Amino acid sequence: AQTVTQSQPEMSVQEAETVTLSCTYDTSESDYYLFWYKQPPSRQMILVIRQEAYKQQNATENRFSVNFQKAAKSFSLKISDSQLGDAAMYFCAYSSQASGSRLTFGEGTQLTVNP
Amino acid sequence: EPEVTQTPSHQVTQMGQEVILRCVPISNHLYFYWYRQILGQKVEFLVSFYNNEISEKSEIFDDQFSVERPDGSNFTLKIRSTKLEDSAMYFCASSEGSYSNQPQHFGDGTRLSIL
Repeated sequence: AQTVTQSQPEMSVQEAETVTLSCTYDTSESDYYLFWYKQPPSRQMILVIRQEAYKQQNATENRFSVNFQKAAKSFSLKISDSQLGDAAMYFCAYSSQASGSRLTFGEGTQLTVNP
Repeated sequence: EPEVTQTPSHQVTQMGQEVILRCVPISNHLYFYWYRQILGQKVEFLVSFYNNEISEKSEIFDDQFSVERPDGSNFTLKIRSTKLEDSAMYFCASSEGSYSNQPQHFGDGTRLSIL
């Protein structure tokens, strides 16, 4: 079975600085997808960024980028120029066709952005 | 931007009672999901639904649970005889397709409290 681990329950960053959230996963599959979701307080989870395992190039979405290390099974999220609105719970998630497209989530990392 | 909506936001129910959680997926989406998050634990997959049938279910989704799409818009999760351990946040999600790279769009969740 696939597992996703986020070892940082909480992180904080100063506004305008850069922060990296860690995620590791375990799978025996070769074709899969990885996601970062953001959940602001009392709001729905929103997809931040996704990465296809077969792509070597790291995904980027504006201030958000990932460092995907397939051999190490690591998928970290880098947030550049942090803004107050980035404060949220961030979930790393895994999905594959073989596992029926269900999302397997990590524990979540609570990000605080300090003004 | 279209959203997944869930009602109610908070449901309090006596143990042993039946509860129905409601979701309105995004209108052109065809695949629907329920996840739950027990306080302090990971978000867990419960069930996926397509073409009026369950596509996949987890070991959590036992005979006490059922899902239904009673009309063209609603997607419901019913728990027949609630237990204390059913207390959790329940998230509904929908996606356009079933491929694992298709992003799942989440609702705000329903907090279910069993007394």
